[in-house]
Amino acid sequence: DAGVTQSPTHLIKTRGQQVTLRCSPKSGHDTVSWYQQALGQGPQFIFQYYEEEERQRGNFPDRFSGHQFPNYSSELNVNALLLGDSALYLCASSLNPGGTDTQYFGPGTRLTVL
Amino acid sequence: AQSVSQHNHHVILSEAASLELGCNYSYGGTVNLFWYVQYPGQHLQLLLKYFSGDPLVKGIKGFEAEFIKSKFSFNLRKPSVQWSDTAEYFCAARFMDTGRRALTFGSGTRLQVQP
Repeated sequence: DAGVTQSPTHLIKTRGQQVTLRCSPKSGHDTVSWYQQALGQGPQFIFQYYEEEERQRGNFPDRFSGHQFPNYSSELNVNALLLGDSALYLCASSLNPGGTDTQYFGPGTRLTVL
Repeated sequence: AQSVSQHNHHVILSEAASLELGCNYSYGGTVNLFWYVQYPGQHLQLLLKYFSGDPLVKGIKGFEAEFIKSKFSFNLRKPSVQWSDTAEYFCAARFMDTGRRALTFGSGTRLQVQP
């Protein structure tokens, strides 16, 4: 049973560039949430996708956008990268965004912005 | 605003010592509570969770946590730690009555177990 997978593992970009991160959910899951984890901090919620729509959003600017595909996989896009966007980006999947779903996390993508 | 606090940022224990990591949340409504662990070089893994019912929940690897509603706490415990428990531990909450399904995490506690 494949868990949550993310690609790429590491990424180095320069300020102003754009980046796309990818996530495949755990088998049987239909909901994907994205989190940003800065060094020494806990993960912070970016947004959640269910049924190919953004259902909820955290306190992140519009430079952060996403997409969910019919096979439930998801992308996170960040435009106009800033130095402060350097972080570990985590994808979590769950089965429908109901009240008692449990989120399972992928290994993350380490983004470094120079 | 709702939040989760973990006051112990770095804990150092010897093997076989008992462990208790604190977690408090600020919210008066219904909560789901979670403990996740991040071993060095690995991804976040679920240790245990509380949704309702028995406030004492048991998780994997001998961990347990107790939900005390009156104290807004969900402390993680283990009677005897092992070197392999060295990791970062995160408490997380879902604040149900807000309609938000996202998890709010604490800042984490780094546990170092010395052999």
